Amino acid sequence: NAGVTQTPKFQVLKTGQSMTLQCAQDMNHNSMYWYRQDPGMGLRLIYYSASEGTTDKGEVPNGYNVSRLNKREFSLRLESAAPSQTSVYFCASITSWGETQYFGPGTRLLVL
Amino acid sequence: AQRVTQPEKLLSVFKGAPVELKCNYSYSGSPELFWYVQYSRQRLQLLLRHISRESIKGFTADLNKGETSFHLKKPFAQEEDSAMYYCALMGAGNQFYFGTGTSLTVIP
Repeated sequence: NAGVTQTPKFQVLKTGQSMTLQCAQDMNHNSMYWYRQDPGMGLRLIYYSASEGTTDKGEVPNGYNVSRLNKREFSLRLESAAPSQTSVYFCASITSWGETQYFGPGTRLLVL
Repeated sequence: AQRVTQPEKLLSVFKGAPVELKCNYSYSGSPELFWYVQYSRQRLQLLLRHISRESIKGFTADLNKGETSFHLKKPFAQEEDSAMYYCALMGAGNQFYFGTGTSLTVIP
């Protein structure tokens, strides 16, 4: 099992550009998450998907959109990137009973 | 409102000394609480959760509902324990709330 994978690992954008962060898991998990990690702020939930076909806003959803493409894949889209979105983005998925949350390796995004 | 508070951003202890990382929470229901750890250049991973009452790598954490705390403890710190530690709460619908993290440094 690859676990949770994320692409790209690193990205530089100019203000106003758009991009999609990809996440996939091969553990047959129902729930998937997108977080951002900022110094002094910890992890903050952007969006999550409790099951295929559903998505919900987390703590900091503004400026982001998500798509739960199928059970395996959960993408995060920045339509018009802003410097405030410079961060490390983590995708995660969870076992059916909420026992363990598995994280991806992260995507470092720099918006100039 | 759900909240997880980790009051210490940085914590330094000497090797062999006891360590305690504090975590307090606010939640209206019965929370499920976790500790996650992130070693340098690695992804976050689960350290322990209160339901299992396990001891992982010598760490333990007890849920104190009266004090709404879930402090992480280890009697003798090791250099390999140096990492970022996050306390997390799972609420309704499997939504997670993380604290701001504590960076632990174990001094040789």
